[in-house]
Amino acid sequence: ETGVTQTPRHLVMGMTNKKSLKCEQHLGHNAMYWYKQSAKKPLELMFVYSLEERVENNSVPSRFSPECPNSSHLFLHLHTLQPEDSALYLCASSQGRTRGVDTQYFGPGTRLTVL
Amino acid sequence: ELKVEQNPLFLSMQEGKNYTIYCNYSTTSDRLYWYRQDPGKSLESLFVLLSNGAVKQEGRLMASLDTKARLSTLHITAAVHDLSATYFCAVGDNNDMRFGAGTRLTVKP
Repeated sequence: ETGVTQTPRHLVMGMTNKKSLKCEQHLGHNAMYWYKQSAKKPLELMFVYSLEERVENNSVPSRFSPECPNSSHLFLHLHTLQPEDSALYLCASSQGRTRGVDTQYFGPGTRLTVL
Repeated sequence: ELKVEQNPLFLSMQEGKNYTIYCNYSTTSDRLYWYRQDPGKSLESLFVLLSNGAVKQEGRLMASLDTKARLSTLHITAAVHDLSATYFCAVGDNNDMRFGAGTRLTVKP
């Protein structure tokens, strides 16, 4: 596989469930990102990892918990979500460690629905 | 705080016509990106503009950057149906990167 992959592509979960989103990049990049894309809102950055170290957390609720075990893999663990968390969750990666410098390459996204 | 504004947010145009999408941003930056997103798909990088006066062209799309005016434009020439998508600009500096709200373009026959 090439580029940035995400699984699952679609996820429906109840508010009491625990689930995880997975992202894998095959580009040899050093930084990975989680974004949330909701209807009628700009793309929102959630987390940034650079060389497996989290460098930013934009006041994301604690019901979202990221994990980056190595530079190629990124997870987003979900628990006790709310219906307003329903959105498209996009993973991205970039070559450099600095967020605003390099082009980010996006995965296909996970469409999450919280019932 | 870095802010990015795109306009228009919705654009319906006929095939063969020309139009321009605008991207304004609030702080000094010399890195601007344009992305395309098809319905149900992810974002695809189109252009990276790295300096004042930069112009890049790919097919019917041409992007330019004026860092003094804090403005980038994406010009569409002789639109075709395949260009229907949502176009995002994103502005970056060393500390932050923000996306515009997107322009949903529909090209009609």
